[in-house]
Amino acid sequence: EAQVTQNPRYLITVTGKKLTVTCSQNMNHEYMSWYRQDPGLGLRQIYYSMNVEVTDKGDVPEGYKVSRKEKRNFPLILESPSPNQTSLYFCASRGAAANEKLFFGSGTQLSVL
Amino acid sequence: AQSVTQPDIHITVSEGASLELRCNYSYGATPYLFWYVQSPGQGLQLLLKYFSGDTLVQGIKGFEAEFKRSQSSFNLRKPSVHWSDAAEYFCAVKKSSGGYNKLIFGAGTRLAVHP
Repeated sequence: EAQVTQNPRYLITVTGKKLTVTCSQNMNHEYMSWYRQDPGLGLRQIYYSMNVEVTDKGDVPEGYKVSRKEKRNFPLILESPSPNQTSLYFCASRGAAANEKLFFGSGTQLSVL
Repeated sequence: AQSVTQPDIHITVSEGASLELRCNYSYGATPYLFWYVQSPGQGLQLLLKYFSGDTLVQGIKGFEAEFKRSQSSFNLRKPSVHWSDAAEYFCAVKKSSGGYNKLIFGAGTRLAVHP
């Protein structure tokens, strides 16, 4: 089954404690992206990757890092989380063509205390 | 700059009633437009998309949307709502920048369905 898998689904942490949210897709997609969803703001793009070892900032990259060492994986790293990073995070992927649809993961609800 | 506005934050309808969710976009060229649905605890699922051609687009789950260039709108409709349609709906426009494409999302409209 084609899917985007994020882990964990829920995460509670404390300020400053490094964490990683994993994302994996099984569709051999070139493009992967991370979004955060906040009430009243919709989804905003954090980082994206066009292919292995090719990443770039989205609209709200501050406080986040990503890596794309393998095509299927695109982890989101918070080196020093802060309370304003409490949010619902989504990973998404699609093929290389511009008109391909995005496949979304089920989301990771992060709370930073 | 490209943007998407969903004027209604919350909408409540009765089961069986018709539904229209509004979406207005700001985009210089012919836009690529999308509607996504997010059920509770789930990721986003594509309902339908418009790239070109017929301005009335049919999607999954009985939804349709109409692209109106003169009004810069892409409203989502369903003639008879089911309780399972309760979810959050996002309109999005595809933005081209620096050789790649990304989606700009609206803030979302949360739909509640009364029995």
